[in-house]
Amino acid sequence: DVKVTQSSRYLVKRTGEKVFLECVQDMDHENMFWYRQDPGLGLRLIYFSYDVKMKEKGDIPEGYSVSREKKERFSLILESASTNQTSMYLCASSSDSPLHFGNGTRLTVT
Amino acid sequence: QKEVEQNSGPLSVPEGAIASLNCTYSDRGSQSFFWYRQYSGKSPELIMSIYSNGDKEDGRFTAQLNKASQYVSLLIRDSQPSDSATYLCAVNRGRDDKIIFGKGTRLHILP
Repeated sequence: DVKVTQSSRYLVKRTGEKVFLECVQDMDHENMFWYRQDPGLGLRLIYFSYDVKMKEKGDIPEGYSVSREKKERFSLILESASTNQTSMYLCASSSDSPLHFGNGTRLTVT
Repeated sequence: QKEVEQNSGPLSVPEGAIASLNCTYSDRGSQSFFWYRQYSGKSPELIMSIYSNGDKEDGRFTAQLNKASQYVSLLIRDSQPSDSATYLCAVNRGRDDKIIFGKGTRLHILP
């Protein structure tokens, strides 16, 4: 079974802090994704990566950046956290399709 | 028009009945279609993938795809209380191959 592990289940950060959300997959998948999920808005794609050192913007990249230094690891970075980034963050990986999700990180920015 | 559209529900279905969930999409170039189930507080889990027109069955679940009409549906036979969840329709967007999700339909199975 594919295992996608997100480093934190819950995080509380202060406005202006730099925040790192880590995601690791163990199936040698080429593709990795970061989504956020908000009530009434559903799942929205932030960034994705099709290969090491490669990244592409999703539909809502503003305020975020990503890093993929190794194939199995994809990090989401909030350079200066703001309260409107309070959300559930979901990492996913795939070889072709479909997506396999991690357990999610519920981030609260106060 | 929204890229992937679902009725938000809640859809209430008696236990043992058939639950029917529908989804429409806007990009005619889409080739891959998925149904995910998400329990409250949990991450989405894949139930079905479908890539060609027609029906695909897996246990109590049947996915139906009609590309000409741009809709995909999920039927759940012999509904159980454990099927109560939010069901997310996902479609790969033809123009850039990204996977885009609908907002989900909440399904409630009545015991």
